[in-house]
Amino acid sequence: AQSVTQPDIHITVSEGASLELRCNYSYGATPYLFWYVQSPGQGLQLLLKYFSGDTLVQGIKGFEAEFKRSQSSFNLRKPSVHWSDAAEYFCAVGAHSGGGADGLTFGKGTHLIIQP
Amino acid sequence: DVKVTQSSRYLVKRTGEKVFLECVQDMDHENMFWYRQDPGLGLRLIYFSYDVKMKEKGDIPEGYSVSREKKERFSLILESASTNQTSMYLCASSPLQGLISTDTQYFGPGTRLTVL
Repeated sequence: AQSVTQPDIHITVSEGASLELRCNYSYGATPYLFWYVQSPGQGLQLLLKYFSGDTLVQGIKGFEAEFKRSQSSFNLRKPSVHWSDAAEYFCAVGAHSGGGADGLTFGKGTHLIIQP
Repeated sequence: DVKVTQSSRYLVKRTGEKVFLECVQDMDHENMFWYRQDPGLGLRLIYFSYDVKMKEKGDIPEGYSVSREKKERFSLILESASTNQTSMYLCASSPLQGLISTDTQYFGPGTRLTVL
């Protein structure tokens, strides 16, 4: 079964600074990878996804992520954060299991705090 | 834009009550999902459905059931609510049959359920 690890529970970044949120996955084949963002009191919104092809994926709100197969990672980056980026970020992996539970497997989330 | 709506944003129920959480999507998606979200645990899949009247157990189905009588509507039922079911419940939908774990999921705003 697939799994996702987000090693950082909380991250604090100054407004205007760069950001990198870490995500490591475990899956035997090529995974389908997603980053979602959840603003306070809201549902999850898709930031970007990787299915195949170019390993550097561009998303909404100026975010990008890079798939590194050798490191089993899919880290999310943004060159300059804004106060509105404060939210909970979830990495997820999807895989066709051929049976049993399906749907996405989510990491436990990283809470991003933006300092003025 | 895809819209997934959930019947209530906040709900307070008593132990032993039967609870219905409703989810409706307006994009003719085949697949629908129910997750619960708890601090430090991320999102966990309860049930999903890939067609009308079809349902599959997720990772934590105990204490829950679901109903999908129409394509656009997916209901989560707590037969006898317990305090350990106090949580945020998120509904999602995705557009394709087959490899449902690989498809982008669109989320509703969530229902915060408190069981007293």
